[in-house]
Amino acid sequence: GQQVMQIPQYQHVQEGEDFTTYCNSSTTLSNIQWYKQRPGGHPVFLIQLVKSGEVKKQKRLTFQFGEAKKNSSLHITATQTTDVGTYFCAGGYSTLTFGKGTMLLVSP
Amino acid sequence: DAGVIQSPRHEVTEMGQEVTLRCKPISGHDYLFWYRQTMMRGLELLIYFNNNVPIDDSGMPEDRFSAKMPNASFSTLKIQPSEPRDSAVYFCASSHGGPGVHHEQYFGPGTRLTVT
Repeated sequence: GQQVMQIPQYQHVQEGEDFTTYCNSSTTLSNIQWYKQRPGGHPVFLIQLVKSGEVKKQKRLTFQFGEAKKNSSLHITATQTTDVGTYFCAGGYSTLTFGKGTMLLVSP
Repeated sequence: DAGVIQSPRHEVTEMGQEVTLRCKPISGHDYLFWYRQTMMRGLELLIYFNNNVPIDDSGMPEDRFSAKMPNASFSTLKIQPSEPRDSAVYFCASSHGGPGVHHEQYFGPGTRLTVT
């Protein structure tokens, strides 16, 4: 079946440093979504990318969808302690397959 | 809107007991999803419904798991009999929209199930 892989599994940064998580699919995706889950919380939708090569920004967050629609990335510029959590990508056709997520820790 | 509502928030039960998890989706959403989250396996889709009809239950682990959606505002996930390996956080999510280009899913707060 379809697999969505995320790297790294875990990253610990100092506040102010940048952070990037990568998402790779074994098959072409119709779209990709990103979610954030705070510790003890539930996944919350961040954004959806649909077009090949698409780039979207939300304040300090930049999302990219690869040209082949098989990979995506999320980049956070100048992390803050409020960015702590696990970031998931999810993609597919009839259903969404979630990656295992990248856990981000930010030290003040 | 209150968002997706799940109950109970925490459940501790003994092996062999029946467990029923409940979910109320966001009003107007026509898709409902049940997920299970564990450290080892991440977030797994168990089953999803469209307009109260189960569409894909290929993620349901085994016959001990069953899910129903008797109407547009209520769904249950039942485990009978429960086993320690069923311990996980179970999320219900709902969305408005069809397949192809997915619509964002709204997750409930989850039910943390512990089977001893």
